[in-house]
Amino acid sequence: QQQVKQSPQSLIVQKGGISIINCAYENTAFDYFPWYQQFPGKGPALLIAIRPDVSEKKEGRFTISFNKSAKQFSLHIMDSQPGDSATYFCAASENTGFQKLVFGTGTRLLVSP
Amino acid sequence: DGGITQSPKYLFRKEGQNVTLSCEQNLNHDAMYWYRQDPGQGLRLIYYSQIVNDFQKGDIAEGYSVSREKKESFPLTVTSAQKNPTAFYLCASSIRTSGGVQFFGPGTRLTVL
Repeated sequence: QQQVKQSPQSLIVQKGGISIINCAYENTAFDYFPWYQQFPGKGPALLIAIRPDVSEKKEGRFTISFNKSAKQFSLHIMDSQPGDSATYFCAASENTGFQKLVFGTGTRLLVSP
Repeated sequence: DGGITQSPKYLFRKEGQNVTLSCEQNLNHDAMYWYRQDPGQGLRLIYYSQIVNDFQKGDIAEGYSVSREKKESFPLTVTSAQKNPTAFYLCASSIRTSGGVQFFGPGTRLTVL
């Protein structure tokens, strides 16, 4: 079964620190890697995404780093804020006729004031 | 406002009863999805539909059924055959050619008493 492995399961970071969440995959046919952010009691929302033709993508305080040879990608949240406290999911999809997302198990981030 | 609505937000059911969860979207998306979310297990795909009057089983379809009679609507029925139905259910939609970019509803929390 196609899988995306995500770590850590939970993370506590002080305000202003850097939060790092890692994901790994096996299926080399994956070619789209989004990150979703979910607040308690809400549905996930797309945060940032990357394709394997670039090694890094930055949007504000959020950066995806992608290592194609290692089949790993990570989310970095710079200057973490209490409002960033949420659950983060990495995901991946293939560029075949119809793209389904395969999700990681999620990381619960708590940014302490 | 464009988006996805799910109702009800909370649902209680007695064992042995079927229950139907509603999902409506006004984003003009062809594709719709149902996921189940359990703590520590991420989002698991139950069913998805690429187009009206067509749908496919996801990874955990046993005990669930769907219909897609209208583009805007994709209801999910949790049947009495589902052994452990208590969970948070999320509906999502996307344009057909970009299943990696999914928009999620606010979810329905189902509790079986």
